[in-house]
Amino acid sequence: KQEVTQIPAALSVPEGENLVLNCSFTDSAIYNLQWFRQDPGKGLTSLLLIQSSQREQTSGRLNASLDKSSGRSTLYIAASQPGDSATYLCAVTSGTYKYIFGTGTRLKVLA
Amino acid sequence: GAVVSQHPSWVICKSGTSVKIECRSLDFQATTMFWYRQFPKQSLMLMATSNEGSKATYEQGVEKDKFLINHASLTLSTLTVTSAHPEDSSFYICSANRGSETQYFGPGTRLLVL
Repeated sequence: KQEVTQIPAALSVPEGENLVLNCSFTDSAIYNLQWFRQDPGKGLTSLLLIQSSQREQTSGRLNASLDKSSGRSTLYIAASQPGDSATYLCAVTSGTYKYIFGTGTRLKVLA
Repeated sequence: GAVVSQHPSWVICKSGTSVKIECRSLDFQATTMFWYRQFPKQSLMLMATSNEGSKATYEQGVEKDKFLINHASLTLSTLTVTSAHPEDSSFYICSANRGSETQYFGPGTRLLVL
């Protein structure tokens, strides 16, 4: 059974700092991995999608990497801003397309 | 881009009543939709997979008689929480699959059962 874990569970950093969020999964047979952002009481905002054949994806200040063989992905946020404060979720999907979500990292960027 | 809507966005109901939540794919057809539940400060847990024209597939531990799912068309899936109780209070999110592409998530429905 696929299990997805995110470390750390919570993170508080000063504005401007670069940071890395980690995601690990137990079954490497994934179809893709996706990073989401969730603001309190809101739905999900898709940040980056990495197909199983890809190693990384970039969007603005965000970079996500995928090492399928080791069951790991990282989300790198450069020059963090208070507006980046949110919960970040990673999720993996197999060929059935259903997503298994990670435990989430609650990020707070201090001004 | 693909858009998925949910209605209502929030609902408050009395214990014992039933509540229906709709999930619509607005600009594409979705043969498969998924329903997730999220308790406060927890991650999303998949409840069931909804397939158009057939019975939903429920995840282990999810009561199919309590959470009725109907996927009557390629753009609409409904989740009915029957005889709701306070412990059913949660954030319910649906997603829709467009072919072999990624899923598109709805904005969520917050349910509060008094």
